[in-house]
Amino acid sequence: AIQLTQSPSSLSASVGDRVTITCRASQGISSALAWYQQKPGKAPNILIYDASSLESGVPSRFRGSGSGTEFTLTISSLQPEDFATYYCQQFNSYPYSFGQGTKLEIK
Amino acid sequence: QITLKESGRTLVKPTQTLTLTCTFSGFSLSTRGVGVGWIRQPPGKALEWLAVIYWDDDKRYSPSLKSRLTITKDTSKNQVVLTMTNMDPVDTATYYCAHTSWFGELSWFDPWGQGTLVTVSS
Repeated sequence: AIQLTQSPSSLSASVGDRVTITCRASQGISSALAWYQQKPGKAPNILIYDASSLESGVPSRFRGSGSGTEFTLTISSLQPEDFATYYCQQFNSYPYSFGQGTKLEIK
Repeated sequence: QITLKESGRTLVKPTQTLTLTCTFSGFSLSTRGVGVGWIRQPPGKALEWLAVIYWDDDKRYSPSLKSRLTITKDTSKNQVVLTMTNMDPVDTATYYCAHTSWFGELSWFDPWGQGTLVTVSS
């Protein structure tokens, strides 16, 4: 099974900051990676699919990049509504797997 | 617009069987390429994929839970049912269903249902 390791596990930042979250896969997954945002008590929402494709309606300050085993999610200028937990997910092969999450908190 | 909603018992006793129903709208599970998956999330923890079923009745399960899971679909009712046997307190989690697709390759989950919190306790 493919394991996904996110770093950092938590991150404190301020409104306007640029932040980067990394997701590393235990083996190559091409570009079969998605990023989700989850707010407390809510279901995850898709942000990025195919490693770098922005889901319709998602602000352009979110950017995904990478392929193979290393991927990043960058938020270019944090907004108050961006403070949430972020998960990566691989869909290269079964079983699907998720990263352990990165909690983005207000500094 | 695609929507999904989970339903079922929210409190089960250890060793009992959990049955969850995902009722959806905005798509049909008889349409080629369509799938519905189940994912769970223990309180304060990460997401864990459980199972997926596709339009052609192909079914896949998490290897670690395969012996306890069964996923079925009722196309006429727009429902997918997940059963999990021999429930244990560690299975306490919010259970989500989500839409996915398959066109020669696996895909991400979008959108998700609101989730239902299942507590396992005697």
